[in-house]
Amino acid sequence: EVVVTQSPATLSLSPGERATLSCRASQSLTTEYLSWYQHKPGQAPRLLVYGISTRATGVPDRFSGSGSGRDFTLTISSLQPEDSALYYCQQDYNFVLTFGGGTKVEI
Amino acid sequence: QLHLEESGPGLAKPSETLSLTCTVSGAADNIGTYYWGWIRQSPGKALEWIGSVYNSGITFYNPSFKSRATISADTSKSQFFLQLSSVTVADTAVYYCVRGGDGSAVFMGRLAYWGQGTLVLVSS
Repeated sequence: EVVVTQSPATLSLSPGERATLSCRASQSLTTEYLSWYQHKPGQAPRLLVYGISTRATGVPDRFSGSGSGRDFTLTISSLQPEDSALYYCQQDYNFVLTFGGGTKVEI
Repeated sequence: QLHLEESGPGLAKPSETLSLTCTVSGAADNIGTYYWGWIRQSPGKALEWIGSVYNSGITFYNPSFKSRATISADTSKSQFFLQLSSVTVADTAVYYCVRGGDGSAVFMGRLAYWGQGTLVLVSS
Protein backbone atom coordinates (compact mmCIF):
# COMPACT_ATOMS: atom_id res chain seq x y z
CA GLU A 1 0.00 0.00 0.00
CA VAL A 2 1.33 3.42 -0.96
CA VAL A 3 1.33 5.86 1.96
CA VAL A 4 1.04 9.56 1.13
CA THR A 5 2.27 12.20 3.55
CA GLN A 6 1.28 15.85 3.29
CA SER A 7 3.07 18.90 4.64
CA PRO A 8 2.71 21.27 6.28
CA ALA A 9 -0.27 20.36 8.44
CA THR A 10 -1.38 24.00 8.50
CA LEU A 11 -0.55 26.94 6.28
CA SER A 12 -1.50 30.45 7.41
CA LEU A 13 -1.21 33.09 4.68
CA SER A 14 -2.73 36.38 3.57
CA PRO A 15 -4.96 37.05 0.57
CA GLY A 16 -2.92 37.37 -2.61
CA GLU A 17 -0.05 35.26 -1.31
CA ARG A 18 1.15 32.05 -2.90
CA ALA A 19 0.45 28.73 -1.18
CA THR A 20 2.61 25.66 -1.77
CA LEU A 21 1.26 22.34 -0.49
CA SER A 22 3.42 19.21 -0.57
CA CYS A 23 2.57 15.53 -0.92
CA ARG A 24 5.14 12.72 -0.72
CA ALA A 25 4.41 9.11 -1.65
CA SER A 26 6.15 6.17 -0.01
CA GLN A 27 7.09 4.87 -3.45
CA SER A 28 7.42 6.34 -6.89
CA LEU A 29 4.05 6.76 -8.65
CA THR A 30 3.25 6.33 -12.29
CA THR A 31 2.39 9.78 -13.56
CA GLU A 32 -1.38 9.64 -13.68
CA TYR A 33 -2.32 8.32 -10.25
CA LEU A 34 -2.20 11.51 -8.19
CA SER A 35 -5.15 13.83 -7.48
CA TRP A 36 -5.86 16.79 -5.21
CA TYR A 37 -9.12 17.72 -3.45
CA GLN A 38 -10.47 20.74 -1.60
CA HIS A 39 -12.72 20.09 1.39
CA LYS A 40 -14.73 22.76 3.15
CA PRO A 41 -16.73 22.15 6.35
CA GLY A 42 -20.23 20.83 5.72
CA GLN A 43 -19.54 20.17 2.04
CA ALA A 44 -18.43 17.20 0.02
CA PRO A 45 -14.79 17.28 -1.13
CA ARG A 46 -14.18 18.73 -4.57
CA LEU A 47 -11.76 17.36 -7.15
CA LEU A 48 -9.26 20.08 -8.08
CA VAL A 49 -6.49 18.35 -10.00
CA TYR A 50 -5.96 14.86 -11.40
CA GLY A 51 -3.14 13.18 -13.30
CA ILE A 52 -0.76 15.38 -11.26
CA SER A 53 -1.43 18.57 -13.24
CA THR A 54 -4.80 18.51 -15.05
CA ARG A 55 -7.36 20.85 -13.54
CA ALA A 56 -10.86 19.46 -13.13
CA THR A 57 -13.80 21.16 -14.82
CA GLY A 58 -14.51 24.63 -13.46
CA VAL A 59 -11.41 24.87 -11.27
CA PRO A 60 -9.81 28.34 -11.40
CA ASP A 61 -6.40 28.55 -13.01
CA ARG A 62 -4.81 29.85 -9.81
CA PHE A 63 -4.73 26.16 -8.77
CA SER A 64 -1.96 24.13 -10.36
CA GLY A 65 -0.42 20.73 -9.72
CA SER A 66 3.10 19.53 -10.44
CA GLY A 67 5.64 16.91 -9.48
CA SER A 68 6.90 13.47 -10.36
CA GLY A 69 8.18 10.28 -8.79
CA ARG A 70 7.47 10.58 -5.07
CA ASP A 71 7.06 14.33 -4.66
CA PHE A 72 4.07 16.38 -5.73
CA THR A 73 2.90 19.94 -5.18
CA LEU A 74 -0.36 21.85 -5.30
CA THR A 75 0.19 25.57 -5.78
CA ILE A 76 -2.42 28.26 -5.27
CA SER A 77 -0.89 31.24 -7.02
CA SER A 78 -2.85 34.07 -5.40
CA LEU A 79 -4.95 33.10 -2.42
CA GLN A 80 -8.57 34.19 -2.27
CA PRO A 81 -10.64 34.19 0.93
CA GLU A 82 -12.76 31.34 -0.44
CA ASP A 83 -9.67 29.13 -0.67
CA SER A 84 -9.73 28.55 3.10
CA ALA A 85 -10.18 24.77 3.31
CA LEU A 86 -8.54 21.42 3.89
CA TYR A 87 -6.62 20.07 0.93
CA TYR A 88 -5.96 16.37 0.37
CA CYS A 89 -3.75 14.54 -2.06
CA GLN A 90 -4.80 11.04 -3.12
CA GLN A 91 -3.14 8.24 -5.06
CA ASP A 92 -4.69 5.15 -6.59
CA TYR A 93 -1.72 3.11 -7.76
CA ASN A 94 -2.38 -0.62 -8.13
CA PHE A 95 -6.08 -0.22 -7.33
CA VAL A 96 -5.58 0.74 -3.71
CA LEU A 97 -6.66 4.29 -3.00
CA THR A 98 -5.07 6.29 -0.19
CA PHE A 99 -5.34 9.88 1.00
CA GLY A 100 -2.79 12.05 2.71
CA GLY A 101 -3.52 13.50 6.12
CA GLY A 102 -4.46 16.89 4.67
CA THR A 103 -3.15 20.45 4.78
CA LYS A 104 -5.33 23.13 6.32
CA VAL A 105 -5.05 26.47 4.55
CA GLU A 106 -6.00 29.45 6.68
CA ILE A 107 -6.37 32.88 5.16
CA GLN B 1 -25.14 16.59 -14.28
CA LEU B 2 -24.53 13.44 -12.29
CA HIS B 3 -26.00 13.33 -8.80
CA LEU B 4 -25.18 10.86 -6.03
CA GLU B 5 -27.21 10.51 -2.85
CA GLU B 6 -26.51 8.36 0.17
CA SER B 7 -29.29 6.84 2.23
CA GLY B 8 -29.49 4.59 5.25
CA PRO B 9 -29.84 4.58 9.01
CA GLY B 10 -28.07 7.36 10.82
CA LEU B 11 -27.64 5.25 13.93
CA ALA B 12 -26.21 1.79 14.47
CA LYS B 13 -25.46 -0.22 17.59
CA PRO B 14 -22.04 -1.77 18.24
CA SER B 15 -21.65 -5.22 16.66
CA GLU B 16 -24.44 -4.55 14.12
CA THR B 17 -24.05 -4.39 10.35
CA LEU B 18 -24.26 -0.93 8.81
CA SER B 19 -25.99 -0.79 5.43
CA LEU B 20 -25.89 2.24 3.13
CA THR B 21 -27.24 2.82 -0.37
CA CYS B 22 -26.04 5.28 -2.98
CA THR B 23 -28.50 6.24 -5.71
CA VAL B 24 -27.09 7.70 -8.92
CA SER B 25 -29.17 9.98 -11.11
CA GLY B 26 -28.69 12.30 -14.08
CA ALA B 27 -26.44 11.27 -16.99
CA ALA B 28 -26.09 7.82 -15.41
CA ASP B 29 -25.37 6.01 -18.67
CA ASN B 30 -22.16 4.01 -18.94
CA ILE B 31 -22.46 3.27 -15.23
CA GLY B 32 -20.49 0.09 -15.82
CA THR B 33 -17.38 1.91 -17.02
CA TYR B 34 -16.67 3.84 -13.82
CA TYR B 35 -15.64 2.98 -10.30
CA TRP B 36 -18.27 3.49 -7.61
CA GLY B 37 -16.94 3.72 -4.12
CA TRP B 38 -17.30 4.67 -0.50
CA ILE B 39 -15.15 7.13 1.43
CA ARG B 40 -15.58 8.09 5.06
CA GLN B 41 -14.36 10.79 7.39
CA SER B 42 -14.33 10.10 11.11
CA PRO B 43 -14.44 13.11 13.45
CA GLY B 44 -11.15 15.01 13.34
CA LYS B 45 -9.57 12.56 10.90
CA ALA B 46 -8.59 12.49 7.25
CA LEU B 47 -10.59 11.01 4.40
CA GLU B 48 -10.45 7.22 4.28
CA TRP B 49 -11.27 4.98 1.32
CA ILE B 50 -13.33 1.90 2.17
CA GLY B 51 -13.63 0.28 -1.23
CA SER B 52 -14.96 0.47 -4.78
CA VAL B 53 -16.93 -1.63 -7.25
CA TYR B 54 -16.42 -1.71 -11.01
CA ASN B 55 -18.68 -3.05 -13.73
CA SER B 56 -21.20 -4.29 -11.17
CA GLY B 57 -19.07 -6.98 -9.69
CA ILE B 58 -15.34 -6.38 -9.52
CA THR B 59 -14.52 -5.09 -6.07
CA PHE B 60 -11.50 -3.46 -4.48
CA TYR B 61 -11.09 -2.84 -0.77
CA ASN B 62 -8.91 -0.97 1.64
CA PRO B 63 -7.02 -3.79 3.40
CA SER B 64 -8.08 -2.23 6.70
CA PHE B 65 -11.73 -2.99 5.87
CA LYS B 66 -11.48 -6.07 3.73
CA SER B 67 -12.82 -8.48 6.30
CA ARG B 68 -15.78 -6.28 7.28
CA ALA B 69 -16.82 -4.35 4.17
CA THR B 70 -18.91 -5.59 1.26
CA ILE B 71 -19.63 -3.34 -1.70
CA SER B 72 -22.07 -4.30 -4.44
CA ALA B 73 -24.03 -2.66 -7.22
CA ASP B 74 -27.35 -2.97 -9.01
CA THR B 75 -26.92 -1.16 -12.32
CA SER B 76 -30.56 -1.75 -13.26
CA LYS B 77 -31.52 0.52 -10.37
CA SER B 78 -28.48 2.83 -10.66
CA GLN B 79 -27.58 2.01 -7.09
CA PHE B 80 -24.59 0.68 -5.21
CA PHE B 81 -24.30 -0.44 -1.64
CA LEU B 82 -22.03 -0.66 1.39
CA GLN B 83 -22.35 -3.18 4.17
CA LEU B 84 -19.96 -2.81 7.10
CA SER B 85 -20.20 -5.55 9.68
CA SER B 86 -19.32 -5.65 13.37
CA VAL B 87 -19.32 -1.88 13.71
CA THR B 88 -17.81 -0.14 16.73
CA VAL B 89 -17.84 3.45 17.93
CA ALA B 90 -14.72 3.95 15.79
CA ASP B 91 -16.94 3.56 12.71
CA THR B 92 -18.81 6.76 13.58
CA ALA B 93 -18.20 8.95 10.54
CA VAL B 94 -19.63 10.83 7.60
CA TYR B 95 -19.88 8.33 4.76
CA TYR B 96 -19.63 9.56 1.17
CA CYS B 97 -20.40 7.69 -2.02
CA VAL B 98 -18.25 8.64 -4.99
CA ARG B 99 -17.66 8.05 -8.67
CA GLY B 100 -14.09 7.50 -9.70
CA GLY B 101 -12.21 6.97 -12.91
CA ASP B 102 -12.42 8.42 -16.38
CA GLY B 103 -14.38 5.71 -18.14
CA SER B 104 -11.24 3.86 -19.22
CA ALA B 105 -11.00 1.39 -16.29
CA VAL B 106 -7.40 2.42 -15.73
CA PHE B 107 -7.90 4.91 -12.91
CA MET B 108 -9.91 4.23 -9.79
CA GLY B 109 -9.31 7.68 -8.31
CA ARG B 110 -10.10 11.02 -9.91
CA LEU B 111 -13.19 11.26 -7.69
CA ALA B 112 -15.11 13.87 -9.65
CA TYR B 113 -18.55 13.19 -8.18
CA TRP B 114 -19.45 12.92 -4.50
CA GLY B 115 -22.66 12.56 -2.58
CA GLN B 116 -23.31 15.10 0.16
CA GLY B 117 -22.43 12.54 2.79
CA THR B 118 -24.45 10.86 5.50
CA LEU B 119 -23.53 10.88 9.17
CA VAL B 120 -23.59 7.50 10.85
CA LEU B 121 -23.35 7.37 14.62
CA VAL B 122 -22.45 4.10 16.27
CA SER B 123 -23.71 4.08 19.81
CA SER B 124 -25.44 1.75 22.22
